[in-house]
Amino acid sequence: GDSVTQMEGPVTLSEEAFLTINCTYTATGYPSLFWYVQYPGEGLQLLLKATKADDKGSNKGFEATYRKETTSFHLEKGSVQVSDSAVYFCALLANEKLTFGTGTRLTIIP
Amino acid sequence: DTAVSQTPKYLVTQMGNDKSIKCEQNLGHDTMYWYKQDSKKFLKIMFSYNNKELIINETVPNRFSPKSPDKAHLNLHINSLELGDSAVYFCATSSGGRRGTDTQYFGPGTRLTVL
Repeated sequence: GDSVTQMEGPVTLSEEAFLTINCTYTATGYPSLFWYVQYPGEGLQLLLKATKADDKGSNKGFEATYRKETTSFHLEKGSVQVSDSAVYFCALLANEKLTFGTGTRLTIIP
Repeated sequence: DTAVSQTPKYLVTQMGNDKSIKCEQNLGHDTMYWYKQDSKKFLKIMFSYNNKELIINETVPNRFSPKSPDKAHLNLHINSLELGDSAVYFCATSSGGRRGTDTQYFGPGTRLTVL
């Protein structure tokens, strides 16, 4: 079946550091790929998405590129802020079903 | 207006009780979903409905019964609650149907605690 493997957390970084959260997937066919973010005490918000190979999703300074050859969708941000502290979920969508990774808790310290 | 809303936000109840969680969306989407997030933050789909028709039904105990009175609502009824049902339940919606590329938008979640 479909699956998403995400970098284990928690991840702690200093403000303005570079962020990478790794995500790889296994799926039959050509899924769409997503990053969702969950801020403390809140629901899931879509951060960015990519629907086909080589697409780059971007939002709020975050980027991820759909790499079919490596089945990856790593999340990056050049300079993180304290307000980026949250849990980040990588997910794939195939046959209407979203399959999530286990989530990566990110904490940014000033 | 909130696009996807859930009530209640928190629900604390005793084992063995029956409870319902409601979800409403004003996005005009055709498909609605229920997800369960456990204490380790792991998210898993439970059900999806498209135009009031059940499409996805994962391996969920039959104590859980979704009900869709109309396209804008998908409620989750749980009978005979057990300790293991304690979790955060998220409703989500998408405009797609079966195209498989449509983004899902999530509600704020309902934290269920079974004592």
